[in-house]
Amino acid sequence: GAGVSQSPRYKVAKRGQDVALRCDPISGHVSLFWYQQALGQGPEFLTYFQNEAQLDKSGLPSDRFFAERPEGSVSTLKIQRTQQEDSAVYLCASSPHLENSPLHFGNGTRLTVT
Amino acid sequence: GDSVTQMEGPVTLSEEAFLTINCTYTATGYPSLFWYVQYPGEGLQLLLKATKADDKGSNKGFEATYRKETTSFHLEKGSVQVSDSAVYFCAPSKTGGFKTIFGAGTRLFVKA
Repeated sequence: GAGVSQSPRYKVAKRGQDVALRCDPISGHVSLFWYQQALGQGPEFLTYFQNEAQLDKSGLPSDRFFAERPEGSVSTLKIQRTQQEDSAVYLCASSPHLENSPLHFGNGTRLTVT
Repeated sequence: GDSVTQMEGPVTLSEEAFLTINCTYTATGYPSLFWYVQYPGEGLQLLLKATKADDKGSNKGFEATYRKETTSFHLEKGSVQVSDSAVYFCAPSKTGGFKTIFGAGTRLFVKA
């Protein structure tokens, strides 16, 4: 079946612009996660949804970052007034929220802020 | 808070050499433990997992044993291949995959 799909694959934004990154999880997966991966580093947790409820947003680095999943399926990560330090790969992952289920990752969106 | 420490890379080995990548973690509760792999140009994917003490996860010739007493989950393979060249991430997780945390990753190069 289809995996986790993220778009766009690459995004270049000028500093100060707003961006929106989309994630289409595996159908039926209850849990959805966003991670930020800087070059040469491991993924850092940003936020977590269970269906449409955002249960943990403790990893969002500032109030410029906002995520939503209004119908419990597709999710959007929005970054307002982008800064150079926002340049990274943004990964989306979904999971069926069963005991000990692994995460299924998309290929990520590489954001470059110039 | 919860954290994970894994061996720094890059690790460079010749084909058929033995591989160990060390991983230790600190976590509240009783996490499940995962290794994920990222091949060049591809997304992160599950390599193996273990969900309770003394469990051994295995896949593609890789193994890791859940050592609760030492809070470790070291990855091993007896004979690496060029195709194993990738970045490997150790990742403890709360029950249900909630808020998995990742190590910094260990890049492995295998030479023919």
